[in-house]
Amino acid sequence: TQLLEQSPQFLSIQEGENLTVYCNSSSVFSSLQWYRQEPGEGPVLLVTVVTGGEVKKLKRLTFQFGDARKDSSLHITAAQPGDTGLYLCAGHSGGGADGLTFGKGTHLIIQP
Amino acid sequence: DVKVTQSSRYLVKRTGEKVFLECVQDMDHENMFWYRQDPGLGLRLIYFSYDVKMKEKGDIPEGYSVSREKKERFSLILESASTNQTSMYLCASSALEGSYEQYFGPGTRLTVT
Repeated sequence: TQLLEQSPQFLSIQEGENLTVYCNSSSVFSSLQWYRQEPGEGPVLLVTVVTGGEVKKLKRLTFQFGDARKDSSLHITAAQPGDTGLYLCAGHSGGGADGLTFGKGTHLIIQP
Repeated sequence: DVKVTQSSRYLVKRTGEKVFLECVQDMDHENMFWYRQDPGLGLRLIYFSYDVKMKEKGDIPEGYSVSREKKERFSLILESASTNQTSMYLCASSALEGSYEQYFGPGTRLTVT
């Protein structure tokens, strides 16, 4: 069974601070996605990374896929209260449609 | 934009009732999924379907069934609801190939009393 471990599980910081959350596995993934989920809503896709070492930026969010395609990180610069939510990573192993493995997520709270 | 809609945002049912949760997607995606999400357990796959009338069990299919009569619609059925099925239910869809990015509906918060 492939596992994706996300850390930290919970993070509460002040507005304007920087933060990094991690998504780690012992397995290789063909692609990895990051989602953000707000309370009472479904997850919303933020980004997909495919190539080892790939870096993608989405405004103040920077996503990196590890060189070995086993891990990923999400860095947020100058966090805003609107960044509050549950951040989920999900890796695809290259199998069929059911080959998407989700981490349990990082609960992020940005306090004004 | 991909749109996935779910029939209800909130639902309260009694133990033993038959419950239908419906999901519709408008992007002509082949794959559709039902998950439940519980605190500390993350997203768990109940069933998925990669084609009309096709279904595959996920990690926790017990107590659930599904129906996919049309490509855009995927229904989750709780044959006899139980209190341990109180949860957030999420439907998702994805294209047949590629990175298998999943697009989620807003979720149904089901409470079984």
